[in-house]
Amino acid sequence: DADVTQTPRNRITKTGKRIMLECSQTKGHDRMYWYRQDPGLGLRLIYYSFDVKDINKGEISDGYSVSRQAQAKFSLSLESAIPNQTALYFCATSVTGAPETQYFGPGTRLLVL
Amino acid sequence: GNSVTQMEGPVTLSEEAFLTINCTYTATGYPSLFWYVQYPGEGLQLLLKATKADDKGSNKGFEATYRKETTSFHLEKGSVQVSESAVYFCALSERSDSWGKLQFGAGTQVVVTP
Repeated sequence: DADVTQTPRNRITKTGKRIMLECSQTKGHDRMYWYRQDPGLGLRLIYYSFDVKDINKGEISDGYSVSRQAQAKFSLSLESAIPNQTALYFCATSVTGAPETQYFGPGTRLLVL
Repeated sequence: GNSVTQMEGPVTLSEEAFLTINCTYTATGYPSLFWYVQYPGEGLQLLLKATKADDKGSNKGFEATYRKETTSFHLEKGSVQVSESAVYFCALSERSDSWGKLQFGAGTQVVVTP
């Protein structure tokens, strides 16, 4: 089984809808991250969490919110989806001692119509 | 602010050819540097890293040397295989309050043909 899983893997939604992307990990890592990937822009950090009670905004947090329900679960919500949020979303994890060595999930491809 | 610039792709080359992907960076301090690889349909995975000037990171035949004087971290491999077709990302991380936050380049797609 994969260490970092994301659900759903693909999602089509309409403008204005609220959606949630979920991430679970079995690695026992304390840090978790949400990124979005757009062609030609690489990955950009949306939110990151150092532990259950420590959540921080990344460089592009507007329009997104997150919830760290447990050490192993980190969800990303789009409160009111818009077309320019169409992207590939990745969850990642790391440990405090080696935070730059991040382990990525397989991604969620989101299309907002 | 910090930034990472990579050569644009796609880079197309034949199997067993030599691969070089250029990466330069801008940083205010002394960053650690990384190469991540994304195979088709998968998430990124760490390929190699270097934490200080003149360090050479290496893994699976890939190498990159941290060059502070030229602010570069170019990725090289002597003989690429078709299975190494992927998108390669250069990244940096500064040791500050944003510990662990990675700044990625745009990625370079590499296509290796038989």
